[in-house]
Amino acid sequence: QTVVTQEPSFSVSPGGTVTLTCGLSSVSVSTSYYPSWYQQTPGQAPRTLIYNTDTRSSGVPDRFSGSILGNKAALTITGAQTDDESIYYCVLYMGSGSWVFGGGTKLTVL
Amino acid sequence: EVQLVESGGGLVQPGGTLRLSCSASGFTFSGYAMNWVRQAPGKGLEYVSDISVNGGSTYYADSVKGRFTISRDNSKNTLYLQMSSLRTEDMAVYYCVKRGGWYNFDYWGQGTLVTVSS
Repeated sequence: QTVVTQEPSFSVSPGGTVTLTCGLSSVSVSTSYYPSWYQQTPGQAPRTLIYNTDTRSSGVPDRFSGSILGNKAALTITGAQTDDESIYYCVLYMGSGSWVFGGGTKLTVL
Repeated sequence: EVQLVESGGGLVQPGGTLRLSCSASGFTFSGYAMNWVRQAPGKGLEYVSDISVNGGSTYYADSVKGRFTISRDNSKNTLYLQMSSLRTEDMAVYYCVKRGGWYNFDYWGQGTLVTVSS
């Protein structure tokens, strides 16, 4: 069973920079997994932030950026704002119409 | 503006059936693959199913394979999820999701809650 790993929680100060990661249990994450990132606040549907590793979705502020860092996909928030306090999910495409989500990272901005 | 509106959720007994619908607007529905993603109460997101633009190819998570059927009616701009042999672990908010062009989930509906309980 494929497991996608994310930090359960992270904290950042307003104006600070934070990098959330998305890994696989036994192999490196590469662009071939088309990593994408989603933001979800309580009671709301997810919102697409980043797709195809590093492409920002329409309307997403440029303080959000995606990359591959070492053997993981990464979401970096530069100049964090209080509105960024959310749960962030990554998902990897495993091929043959199959995706696996990470467990999500709860980001606190304080 | 892309809009995805799910309906059909509700309370069903274990072993029961339910059909979810998703009405799409604001884009050329027949030009995009579509997905269902679910979220159990207090839990993370889980991929459920994928369907190609013409419905000819369908895929399912192992957890629902053989019990759920995804389909679409491009003439009605509507996506469906037929769920049978429902289990308590299927209880979740089910999101209808438009696929993007890069194996990503593009636009999300607001979701419909499925409760499985006796």
